[in-house]
Amino acid sequence: GESVGLHLPTLSVQEGDNSIINCAYSNSASDYFIWYKQESGKGPQFIIDIRSNMDKRQGQRVTVLLNKTVKHLSLQIAATQPGDSAVYFCAEKGGGATNKLIFGTGTLLAVQP
Amino acid sequence: NAGVMQNPRHLVRRRGQEARLRCSPMKGHSHVYWYRQLPEEGLKFMVYLQKENIIDESGMPKERFSAEFPKEGPSILRIQQVVRGDSAAYFCASSPPGRNGYTFGSGTRLTVV
Repeated sequence: GESVGLHLPTLSVQEGDNSIINCAYSNSASDYFIWYKQESGKGPQFIIDIRSNMDKRQGQRVTVLLNKTVKHLSLQIAATQPGDSAVYFCAEKGGGATNKLIFGTGTLLAVQP
Repeated sequence: NAGVMQNPRHLVRRRGQEARLRCSPMKGHSHVYWYRQLPEEGLKFMVYLQKENIIDESGMPKERFSAEFPKEGPSILRIQQVVRGDSAAYFCASSPPGRNGYTFGSGTRLTVV
């Protein structure tokens, strides 16, 4: 069945370093991908998205890379800050009429001051 | 713009009672999605609704769970005869027609005792 999985459940980085969070997806028909940030006790917050016709998209301090050949998605955070500490989820939309997103299990990013 | 509003934020029910979770989408958004999140897990899709229509309920348990999005008023997720396994955070998201991005609410944390 469809699934989205993350390689690393926990990532610990030093403040100021760059962070890379990885995600694998299994549905080759997925045409849209999103990264969300979830802080404790809060709802998921949109970070950045990318369509399947793109390989890379940049935002403020964040970059998403999409490798459709190996069905891999990554989120890069530059100059990681303590406020970046949260759980990060990737999600995919599987194409077709339904607009539902399928989420991975999440990666906990812990930023050490 | 008040964002996606969910209430209550916390709900405690005894086994066998009913739980009603409410979601008011963002202004201009006519698509509503409900997700369930167990502790330290990802978000699991439950149901996708448009006004007065259920578009995709493939993630809804077959019994005790129902959802509606009436012409007027909020979307309601209803859980009858709750059991301890229903304890989770329930998130609602909304999107405008024809757009991919979701905006999530802060969730309702249901505890069944």
